[in-house]
Amino acid sequence: AQSVAQPEDQVNVAEGNPLTVKCTYSVSGNPYLFWYVQYPNRGLQFLLKYITGDNLVKGSYGFEAEFNKSQTSFHLKKPSALVSDSALYFCAVRDDSSYKLIFGSGTRLLVRP
Amino acid sequence: ETGVTQSPTHLIKTRGQQVTLRCSSQSGHNTVSWYQQALGQGPQFIFQYYREEENGRGNFPPRFSGLQFPNYSSELNVNALELDDSALYLCASSPTGEGEQYFGPGTRLTVT
Repeated sequence: AQSVAQPEDQVNVAEGNPLTVKCTYSVSGNPYLFWYVQYPNRGLQFLLKYITGDNLVKGSYGFEAEFNKSQTSFHLKKPSALVSDSALYFCAVRDDSSYKLIFGSGTRLLVRP
Repeated sequence: ETGVTQSPTHLIKTRGQQVTLRCSSQSGHNTVSWYQQALGQGPQFIFQYYREEENGRGNFPPRFSGLQFPNYSSELNVNALELDDSALYLCASSPTGEGEQYFGPGTRLTVT
């Protein structure tokens, strides 16, 4: 069965510093991995995906993610954090047989001025 | 901003009642999925529809049912509401063959 884990409930970082939000996955076949962001009282916004190809995936709002097959990780990164990046971030994996997404428990990112 | 819309934004119901939530997908997206997001948790897959047929179901009881219409709209129906059904309900659409899903803003359901 497919699953993802987000080991950190919250990540704190100062504005201007690099940020990393961690995600590890478990899949039986090829991984289809996604990152979404959720702002208060809003739905989920798609940031980026890994299907195949380069291990470094670039996405929206300056975010990128690094796919590491040996460590089964797909960490979200940004070189310089903004206060406006403060939100809830979800890692997800797509089920092999459908478009169903399986989400992690989420990581709250807090960027302090 | 995605083209997925949901109504209503908020809803309060009493235990035992029935509720219908609505979603309008992006034009051309043949697949719609519904998710339940309880407070402090990640979204949980309820079911998915492809061209008006149920195409997959998560671990939810039969009192959760759905419909998809030819005009890219869909419904989530929940019968015999329970207190634990209180959650944010998210609709997501995707074009056939694509990986990412595009989410609507959600409907916040409170069951008292």
